[in-house]
Amino acid sequence: GAVVSQHPSRVICKSGTSVKIECRSLDFQATTMFWYRQFPKQSLMLMATSNEGSKATYEQGVEKDKFLINHASLTLSTLTVTSAHPEDSSFYICSASPYLPGPETQYFGPGTRLLVL
Amino acid sequence: AQSVTQLDSQVPVFEEAPVELRCNYSSSVSVYLFWYVQYPNQGLQLLLKYLSGSTLVKSINGFEAEFNKSQTSFHLRKPSVHISDTAEYFCAVSGYNQGGKLIFGQGTELSVKP
Repeated sequence: GAVVSQHPSRVICKSGTSVKIECRSLDFQATTMFWYRQFPKQSLMLMATSNEGSKATYEQGVEKDKFLINHASLTLSTLTVTSAHPEDSSFYICSASPYLPGPETQYFGPGTRLLVL
Repeated sequence: AQSVTQLDSQVPVFEEAPVELRCNYSSSVSVYLFWYVQYPNQGLQLLLKYLSGSTLVKSINGFEAEFNKSQTSFHLRKPSVHISDTAEYFCAVSGYNQGGKLIFGQGTELSVKP
């Protein structure tokens, strides 16, 4: 149980285009979802926290107009990278928690590798 | 606010040797502590966690970690490693009443050689 999927697993896009990444909890309802960004050989940096039906809370330094997060249902959250540029290339990982709060029950997706040309 | 420091970025070790991956944290509030493992091009898998109670926690594949409050450490150990343990290991902390937010260390690359 407690499976989180991400789609796509890998995406290549041209500079200036927008890219949408989906995060789904497959066998539980996620009240909270988190989005992380990981640069090569570096740690995960929390970008934002989203709760179903409300606006996402962004971490300091993360542009909310650049990284649009929508948590439209209890099983789906999306991250849209708008007007992507090469510096946005990274590994994006989501996690989902069935409880509030729930660091001990945070389940991670397999990640999406974004390459912006 | 919390922070996590993993003291070793890379740890090479021979198969069947013991290993310790070090993790220190700082926090102004009580914390939960975690170790995650990441295999190449994959997401994170929870290895073990400390929430409360016994300070020594163990995973099903032979890893263990001990919470030391006085030294603010949560080092990960395994008495005998396998080739399959080769991966990136992340220590993470979450403060009580912090909404579940995880703060990760920089990661330690464990490389097990035959």
